[in-house]
Amino acid sequence: NAGVMQNPRHLVRRRGQEARLRCSPMKGHSHVYWYRQLPEEGLKFMVYLQKENIIDESGMPKERFSAEFPKEGPSILRIQQVVRGDSAAYFCASSVSRQATNTEAFFGQGTRLTVV
Amino acid sequence: GENVEQHPSTLSVQEGDSAVIKCTYSDSASNYFPWYKQELGKGPQLIIDIRSNVGEKKDQRIAVTLNKTAKHFSLHITETQPEDSAVYFCAASIPGGGNKLTFGTGTQLKVEL
Repeated sequence: NAGVMQNPRHLVRRRGQEARLRCSPMKGHSHVYWYRQLPEEGLKFMVYLQKENIIDESGMPKERFSAEFPKEGPSILRIQQVVRGDSAAYFCASSVSRQATNTEAFFGQGTRLTVV
Repeated sequence: GENVEQHPSTLSVQEGDSAVIKCTYSDSASNYFPWYKQELGKGPQLIIDIRSNVGEKKDQRIAVTLNKTAKHFSLHITETQPEDSAVYFCAASIPGGGNKLTFGTGTQLKVEL
């Protein structure tokens, strides 16, 4: 049973380019969360998605960032026109769909984005 | 929104000693408190969690305690080993938010031989 799979593990982009980060949740998990970790800092929530729906995007920057979780395929975090300040580790987590109580979230290995 | 504070930011112990990391949270509605271990270059790994209906939970050398009144929870690692060296994060979430987690700022634990 594979864990949360993220790719690529490392991504280098020039300023102004687009970055596309992918996340496949654990088998049986239908909830996906994206977090950003800046160097020497904790993880900050960005967005929470279920299949084809954005549930909570309160942590997403208003511009340039978008996320989706289509019916088929992985969840995608897209950053347009990247700037140096976007350099960070981006982690995806997934959990099962149990609405009544909070459940364990399992994290992927992350994508380390470097903007040059 | 929820705010989680974590102390200390760094902790150095001798192998075999105990380590304690403390967190406080601000939203009294929070009811789920996981702890994650993150090794260099890797993703956070869930090591133990506790829900608000219990005060303590133990798993081998790891235990977590929760004081709802004080809005305080702690991670205890006994008989520390070099492989326990990592960054540890506490987190909290409120019901109805899926599993959206608010994280503490992390504790760098170093277990010295």
